[in-house]
Formats: sequence, structure tokens, C-alpha cells
Amino acid sequence: AQSVTQPDIHITVSEGASLELRCNYSYGATPYLFWYVQSPGQGLQLLLKYFSGDTLVQGIKGFEAEFKRSQSSFNLRKPSVHWSDAAEYFCAVVPAGQGGATNKLIFGTGTLLAVQP
Amino acid sequence: GAVVSQHPSRVICKSGTSVKIECRSLDFQATTMFWYRQFPKQSLMLMATSNEGSKATYEQGVEKDKFLINHASLTLSTLTVTSAHPEDSSFYICSARDWGVNQPQHFGDGTRLSIL
Repeated sequence: AQSVTQPDIHITVSEGASLELRCNYSYGATPYLFWYVQSPGQGLQLLLKYFSGDTLVQGIKGFEAEFKRSQSSFNLRKPSVHWSDAAEYFCAVVPAGQGGATNKLIFGTGTLLAVQP
Repeated sequence: GAVVSQHPSRVICKSGTSVKIECRSLDFQATTMFWYRQFPKQSLMLMATSNEGSKATYEQGVEKDKFLINHASLTLSTLTVTSAHPEDSSFYICSARDWGVNQPQHFGDGTRLSIL
């Protein structure tokens, strides 16, 4: 079945440490890929997106993500985490062929990030 | 740019009341808007896709007579929860996308709906 998987429900890192959040998808063709962040009680903010081209994508707030076709992954990384990064992170995809039409996002289950001082 | 405003941010009302939630794109024209529902500690579930000037497309299992969607202009979509009951209590989030291929969705801040 087509799906988006975020294996880690909850992650805790120390402030200043590096971060990697995992995302895997199972679609026949490479979908459009996104990472969103949600602070408590708020909507979602787009961190970065991948459609094609360079597989290393730079986003806002110092985040980056790397698309690896062979692993069907799109992991989010940040070299040094700040306390303000504590939030929930969602990986999402738009299945291939729908980018210009419905652009229907399929979300992963999310990873809750806690940052220790 | 790409700001989406959602109003109200929180609603508390009695069972049987109908509640209207507005979603506006402030600095772009949104040909397509989306409505999501999010349960506590869960991901977003797409309820419906709304295209300006046409009927909304509802996801399987979503009652269209319960969740009325109107997308009357390129900057405004509304979701009305009719005759709301406690099981309708949830966090509702809208998003909007600009015209063109590969445009991402931009999200509002959500509406916390609590039905007593």
C-alpha cells in the first residue's frame, strides 16, 4: 500500500546537538516530498520541498533534507538544534502525477521533537 | 508571502450548534483550498478539497452534509460543521495553494473546536 512512514514517534536531543528525522515512502514513482513543522496549537509551516534536481535540499531555519531514491527516503537534518526547534515535524508527499492537479498531500504520522537544555 | 489566515482560532459551543470556520489567503489567489482534521497526537487527515467556483471533493468517509464547504472566491473558503456534536470536537486546519504546477500548500493556524 502507498504510505508515508516516520519511524520515530518521539525524539529527544540536547541543544546544540545534530538532528536527523527519518521519512520513508512507498510509492511506485518518486513523489513530490515535503517537510512541515507544527508548533503546539498552531498550523503547519513549510520547511522545505523536493520536486526534482539536486537531491540535497536547503530549507528555512537551518534545516536540510536529502532525497535518496534507492532508499525511498527523505530525511530531515539540522547540524545544531536550538531550543526553539522543539515541535512536531511532518513528512508529506504528493503522489507523482498529481503535482499540477490536486496536489493532495499525504502526511506521515509525525515526529515529536523535544530539546533538552 | 503566502499567508493563510484561519478564523476563529478557538470555538466552544453547545451540541446542536452549527459552526463556521473561515480560511483566507491574504496575499495570493488560492484556486484550491484543503480542509484537514487533526486528532490529538495524530497526523492530519484530509477531509476535502475545495476548488473555487465548484463543488468540493470529499474524502471517503467524510459526510458532505455534515461538513459543508463553500469556496466562493479565490481568497476565501469556509467550512461549516452542521449540528455539531461532541464527537466533532477536533482541531481543523485549512491550507491553500496558488495557481500553477508544483505550488506547495500553505497552512492556516487551525481552529480548535470543542462541542459541549
